[in-house]
Amino acid sequence: DTEVTQTPKHLVMGMTNKKSLKCEQHMGHRAMYWYKQKAKKPPELMFVYSYEKLSINESVPSRFSPECPNSSLLNLHLHALQPEDSALYLCASSQDRSATNEKLFFGSGTQLSVL
Amino acid sequence: EDQVTQSPEALRLQEGESSSLNCSYTVSGLRGLFWYRQDPGKGPEFLFTLYSAGEEKEKERLKATLTKKESFLHITAPKPEDSATYLCAVQRGGGATNKLIFGTGTLLAVQP
Repeated sequence: DTEVTQTPKHLVMGMTNKKSLKCEQHMGHRAMYWYKQKAKKPPELMFVYSYEKLSINESVPSRFSPECPNSSLLNLHLHALQPEDSALYLCASSQDRSATNEKLFFGSGTQLSVL
Repeated sequence: EDQVTQSPEALRLQEGESSSLNCSYTVSGLRGLFWYRQDPGKGPEFLFTLYSAGEEKEKERLKATLTKKESFLHITAPKPEDSATYLCAVQRGGGATNKLIFGTGTLLAVQP
């Protein structure tokens, strides 16, 4: 199994809603990532978890709250988002974040629209 | 400052018409250069990693090469199913992080 599974595929939410994005991998990877991608732009790193601990936070606003319940799961909790937060949210995993030759496996993403 | 620039932004080819995509980079201590393919509404799919100047990797109709300042993705006799956005990313050495710096991509359209 070389898949990273993300749910939901699409999400529409109001600015006062609370929602969560979910990501799951069963490749035994110990590093998991959240990226944000706006249309026609490259992915931008948001968070990195290594061995279930948050190791990188790229100065992301607190309305985005990541959580790593175990080595296979990664969540992104959303609260009080703004319309400019509308984007494709990508989850990725890699075997170990500090290793060389560390290719990332990406999920298909959640297309988020904030109204 | 680390930077990755891809050209052209968009490329339209006829089926069978070979061409190359360019990725120019400036980074402190290159640890690896990655090529990904991304289909609309999907996550990037890994293609190649290159580590040192002179290295080449091949996969079907794609061949990636690396120099000290740029990488090329050569597409030989492309087919319509090769249509996608091709992303280049670099990983900087000297730290315990796997942060990738992505270029803005080349949107490739192959017409039958």
